[in-house]
Amino acid sequence: ETGVTQSPTHLIKTRGQQVTLRCSSQSGHNTVSWYQQALGQGPQFIFQYYREEENGRGNFPPRFSGLQFPNYSSELNVNALELDDSALYLCASSLGLAEREQYFGPGTRLTVT
Amino acid sequence: EDQVTQSPEALRLQEGESSSLNCSYTVSGLRGLFWYRQDPGKGPEFLFTLYSAGEEKEKERLKATLTKKESFLHITAPKPEDSATYLCAVQGYGGSQGNLIFGKGTKLSVKP
Repeated sequence: ETGVTQSPTHLIKTRGQQVTLRCSSQSGHNTVSWYQQALGQGPQFIFQYYREEENGRGNFPPRFSGLQFPNYSSELNVNALELDDSALYLCASSLGLAEREQYFGPGTRLTVT
Repeated sequence: EDQVTQSPEALRLQEGESSSLNCSYTVSGLRGLFWYRQDPGKGPEFLFTLYSAGEEKEKERLKATLTKKESFLHITAPKPEDSATYLCAVQGYGGSQGNLIFGKGTKLSVKP
């Protein structure tokens, strides 16, 4: 069984640029959630996708957007990058909306300079 | 507002010295309480889910318990490989079902 994978591992961008992060969910999982983890903090919920539709969103501005594809993989897009966007971005998948347990990928470390 | 507070922020133990980590929470209807382990620069690794007060779960040297206001992660005779940050999260029935509310974690160091 393949776990959650994310790419790239690390990324360095300049303020104002745009970035796309990718996630492949665990085999059989149709629900993907994205989290942002700043250094020394717990992960913060960005949004969740279920069967290609956004199912909920945390307190993040519209420049954070996402997609989910028919194979349940997902993308997180961030426009107009700010220095405070520097963080570890985590993707988590679950079997479905009724399933409470989420399994995390290794994360993408984004640095904005 | 749903909230999770973990204590202590950091804990240093000698190998074999048992202790407990605390997770206090407020949530409008608990759907689940989760414990994760996170190694530096990596994603959280799922440990336990607890659903109702009085529930207990065990895995190797770890035991998680739940009351109506808090959860404890008991570590018995820890080894250096147990060193990591332990995260507690809750999920409530209000708002998005996908919304895990995390605490800041407890950083555990176990010295040989």
